[in-house]
Amino acid sequence: RKEVEQDPGPFNVPEGATVAFNCTYSNSASQSFFWYRQDCRKEPKLLMSVYSSGNEDGRFTAQLNRASQYISLLIRDSKLSDSATYLCVVGPYSSASKIIFGSGTRLSIRP
Amino acid sequence: GAGVSQSPRYKVAKRGQDVALRCDPISGHVSLFWYQQALGQGPEFLTYFQNEAQLDKSGLPSDRFFAERPEGSVSTLKIQRTQQEDSAVYLCASSLGAVNQPQHFGDGTRLSIL
Repeated sequence: RKEVEQDPGPFNVPEGATVAFNCTYSNSASQSFFWYRQDCRKEPKLLMSVYSSGNEDGRFTAQLNRASQYISLLIRDSKLSDSATYLCVVGPYSSASKIIFGSGTRLSIRP
Repeated sequence: GAGVSQSPRYKVAKRGQDVALRCDPISGHVSLFWYQQALGQGPEFLTYFQNEAQLDKSGLPSDRFFAERPEGSVSTLKIQRTQQEDSAVYLCASSLGAVNQPQHFGDGTRLSIL
């Protein structure tokens, strides 16, 4: 089992739809969680950190479920510009080598 | 130009040659990371510096890979006697402080070994 698993997709949804995807992790000691987005042939860019209480940034909502060891990302009112690969990142507090990136979930928004 | 800068953007080398990839992190960022990203995969950790100290190099795939950050700023990743399996995008990231803070990535160096 991979340490961080994501559904690779692609998710193909119409503009304006709501889409959600999850990321599961195996290390229960993980303490830091992030979502990054990566456009084709570009570098990953931080989308949002994920906090225990859940957090929202505009159309994006991230949640953490420690009991089931997954984090989720919800995108409301999706835009064409949301088309990208979304990378889940999980890590402990202090060990760099234990920061694990998922393989990413591809999202394609159609007009 | 406040972002992480990497050079070259593209590098083509023949198998067996040595290559050097450069990373210029965001000014003042203490932590610097190197990752290797294969097509369709997420970045895989290679090594981590806190200032000039290389605190973790457990992700380096072999002793042909070497990284340094002698003055705690610019870092170089060197690959000796390159192999075809070294072909990938090499990403550098920096963060302001601790390991668990958000990372800012450079554009990457796309390395192709012929």
